[in-house]
Amino acid sequence: EAQVTQNPRYLITVTGKKLTVTCSQNMNHEYMSWYRQDPGLGLRQIYYSMNVEVTDKGDVPEGYKVSRKEKRNFPLILESPSPNQTSLYFCASSLAGIDQPQHFGDGTRLSIL
Amino acid sequence: GEDVEQSLFLSVREGDSSVINCTYTDSSSTYLYWYKQEPGAGLQLLTYIFSNMDMKQDQRLTVLLNKKDKHLSLRIADTQTGDSAIYFCADVNNAGNMLTFGGGTRLMVKP
Repeated sequence: EAQVTQNPRYLITVTGKKLTVTCSQNMNHEYMSWYRQDPGLGLRQIYYSMNVEVTDKGDVPEGYKVSRKEKRNFPLILESPSPNQTSLYFCASSLAGIDQPQHFGDGTRLSIL
Repeated sequence: GEDVEQSLFLSVREGDSSVINCTYTDSSSTYLYWYKQEPGAGLQLLTYIFSNMDMKQDQRLTVLLNKKDKHLSLRIADTQTGDSAIYFCADVNNAGNMLTFGGGTRLMVKP
């Protein structure tokens, strides 16, 4: 089944404790991205990757890192999480770029205390 | 930068039509999108329209695009309780490097 898989789905942690949210897609998609969803703000893009070893900042990249060492995986790293990063996070992928239908994971709810 | 606006909430009765509206400021996009988000789930692509089209119909869904007014709408005919969800419109920004979402419209369908 074609899908985008995120882990964990839920995480409660404390300020300053490094965490990684994994994202994997099995559709051989070139393009992957991360969004955060906050009430009333829709989804805002954090980082995106056009292809392996190519990443770029989105709208709200501060406090986040990503890597794209393999085509299928695009982890989101919070080196020193803070409470303002409490949010619902989505990973998405598409065949070749932003101007194509995006396939979304089911989301990761992060709570930073 | 790009700004995409939607009303926050819409309530309709089962069997009625729903119309969800969206306005955007700039678009160089080939497509404009509607996504549906059900509780606890990710966003599911509902439909999209090519930017050179005025209308697209897909079963109960009708998308209208008015490029002059930068207005996009989604009409759901014969709305069902299973259509209750949050609906997002989305558009690619002028730089062509980012997908911008509206804030989402929560559709509530009353039996």
